[in-house]
Amino acid sequence: GAVVSQHPSWVICKSGTSVKIECRSLDFQATTMFWYRQFPKQSLMLMATSNEGSKATYEQGVEKDKFLINHASLTLSTLTVTSAHPEDSSFYICSVQRNTDTQYFGPGTRLTVL
Amino acid sequence: QKEVEQNSGPLSVPEGAIASLNCTYSDRVSQSFFWYRQYSGKSPELIMSIYSNGDKEDGRFTAQLNKASQYVSLLIRDSQPSDSATYLCAVIESGGSNYKLTFGKGTLLTVNP
Repeated sequence: GAVVSQHPSWVICKSGTSVKIECRSLDFQATTMFWYRQFPKQSLMLMATSNEGSKATYEQGVEKDKFLINHASLTLSTLTVTSAHPEDSSFYICSVQRNTDTQYFGPGTRLTVL
Repeated sequence: QKEVEQNSGPLSVPEGAIASLNCTYSDRVSQSFFWYRQYSGKSPELIMSIYSNGDKEDGRFTAQLNKASQYVSLLIRDSQPSDSATYLCAVIESGGSNYKLTFGKGTLLTVNP
């Protein structure tokens, strides 16, 4: 498997502020990480694919200027939700890709925007 | 649009029974298939992967794949209350350099003591 951490595990912020979420691969160097969002009672929706040293690839409908992704090292990717609004409240989960096609998920970050 | 379909459930089985979870997918050339378990409020946990037609067993779990029918299933033998969770079927999209997963909406399983 793979050991993945996320920080923070939960965050509450005011509307209009920015929030940074960290995803760390603890036991191997991850070239590719993924960011997902999950609303209550819905499945995971891929937001973007994060490749170390290059720009992230965003899924259709995901605003790249609002959800800033940085993958500066092989063990760390960050997602910054800029100017957060209540509709951005969700469960944000990262995953790391290992063995070409297998993804292992972090514990998730629950964001609540007031 | 590539799709992964699951019965949302809830599927309710008594403790000790076999739980059968089903999934169909639309992309005929998909080659990699995964089952994840997600407890309420938690992130998904990988249970099994399967790549070839037939059965793959791991403890109480058996994954079954039929590429001709575009069907993958997960059997849980001797179901325990701790197996109560949402089970997500996921399929790798074919093509491209990154192996993106497409998830089904999940089946909620409840195992009754």
